[in-house]
Amino acid sequence: GNSVTQMEGPVTLSEEAFLTINCTYTATGYPSLFWYVQYPGEGLQLLLKATKADDKGSNKGFEATYRKETTSFHLEKGSVQVSDSAVYFCAPNSGGSNYKLTFGKGTLLTVNP
Amino acid sequence: EPEVTQTPSHQVTQMGQEVILRCVPISNHLYFYWYRQILGQKVEFLVSFYNNEISEKSEIFDDQFSVERPDGSNFTLKIRSTKLEDSAMYFCASSEWTGASPLHFGNGTRLTVT
Repeated sequence: GNSVTQMEGPVTLSEEAFLTINCTYTATGYPSLFWYVQYPGEGLQLLLKATKADDKGSNKGFEATYRKETTSFHLEKGSVQVSDSAVYFCAPNSGGSNYKLTFGKGTLLTVNP
Repeated sequence: EPEVTQTPSHQVTQMGQEVILRCVPISNHLYFYWYRQILGQKVEFLVSFYNNEISEKSEIFDDQFSVERPDGSNFTLKIRSTKLEDSAMYFCASSEWTGASPLHFGNGTRLTVT
């Protein structure tokens, strides 16, 4: 089955700093790749996705590029805000008759003013 | 935008009791899932459901768990005899039929077993 290795947190940054959260995965077949975000006290929300090699997903200033050769999907943002404080999850899906997600352990990001 | 809705938001039950967690997936979605997140731990897959049957289940999803789509709109998770270690946030999710479709999650039901 699929597995995900995600950068260990917690990550603490000052506002306007550059963010990178590393994610590598193992998967059978050709998964779609997703980043989900969980704000404090809330459920999981889709942040961005990429469906094929070299695709770049982007949303709210966050970006991640599907790197098939390195099986990576690192999340980046050029200038973080306090409101970006949350837990970020990298997740490939599986195909066939079941598109379930496999989540990484999550990376807690805290952005200080 | 259509949403996945879960009820109740918080359920407290005594050990050994049965609980049913309810979900209304997005109406045109075909795949349904339950995940759980024990406090402070990772989000774990429990079960996926497609075409009125379980398509995959994890080791966690043992005989005390069952899922059902009793009508055209609801998707339920039943835990027959709850244990303390079942205390967690349970998330329902649904997705469309393609691999590129993201899972849409509900806000979760916090289950507390005392």
